[in-house]
Amino acid sequence: GAGVSQSPRYKVAKRGQDVALRCDPISGHVSLFWYQQALGQGPEFLTYFQNEAQLDKSGLPSDRFFAERPEGSVSTLKIQRTQQEDSAVYLCASSPLLGLSIQETQYFGPGTRLLVL
Amino acid sequence: AQTVTQSQPEMSVQEAETVTLSCTYDTSENNYYLFWYKQPPSRQMILVIRQEAYKQQNATENRFSVNFQKAAKSFSLKISDSQLGDTAMYFCAFMKTSYDKVIFGPGTSLSVIP
Repeated sequence: GAGVSQSPRYKVAKRGQDVALRCDPISGHVSLFWYQQALGQGPEFLTYFQNEAQLDKSGLPSDRFFAERPEGSVSTLKIQRTQQEDSAVYLCASSPLLGLSIQETQYFGPGTRLLVL
Repeated sequence: AQTVTQSQPEMSVQEAETVTLSCTYDTSENNYYLFWYKQPPSRQMILVIRQEAYKQQNATENRFSVNFQKAAKSFSLKISDSQLGDTAMYFCAFMKTSYDKVIFGPGTSLSVIP
C-alpha cells in the first residue's frame, strides 16, 4: 500500500556509461509518467505509459533515452552513453484510472538523483 | 501549448502569518485541472491542493486555499498560519485531462521564518 518508489535514490555515472532507473508505481495504477527535473527548475515531462503501452514519448530529449513498462507495472528509464547534461533528478509518477474519476491525481515518487561526471 | 508562470522565485513569511503564492497559466482548454505541489528539501513531490476548472468554488485543504480566477487564468495559493514545515519549493501545475502530462511552473521557494 506504499506510494511510488524509485531506485536507486542516487546514481553517479561516468560520462559515456549506461544507466537504468527503476520506478515501482502504486499497485493498480494504470498510468505512469517520467519527468526530468534540472536543478532549481520545475519537472519536465519525458514519457507516458498506459499499462504497458508507451503512448507519448515526445519529451524524451534524445534517442539515448529509452523507457519501458513490459508488464504494465514496473517501469525502467534507461539512458545510454550518459552526458553531463543528463544530470538531473528523474521523477516517476502514477495515477489510478483512465480519466474516469474526478479525483485523478498524479502521485510522485522520491526521484533518482543522477550525477554524470 | 499550455504554459504555467510563477512570478515569485522566492518568498518568506513569519511563522503563524499568512502568505499568498501567485500563479498564472495559459490554455485554450475549457476543462482542465490545476494543482499546487510542495517539494521539501527531501525532494518528494507532495500534492497540496487541486482544483477542477469546471468548479467555481475555490478548493480548500485545512490551512491551504486557492483563489481560482478562470477568466483571468490565475490560480494563487494562500497558506494560513504558516508553519516551519511549510518551508519548501511550491510548484503550480496544469493538467489538461486526467491522463495527460502535468505541466509545471518554475516554482516559488518559500521560507517560513521562526
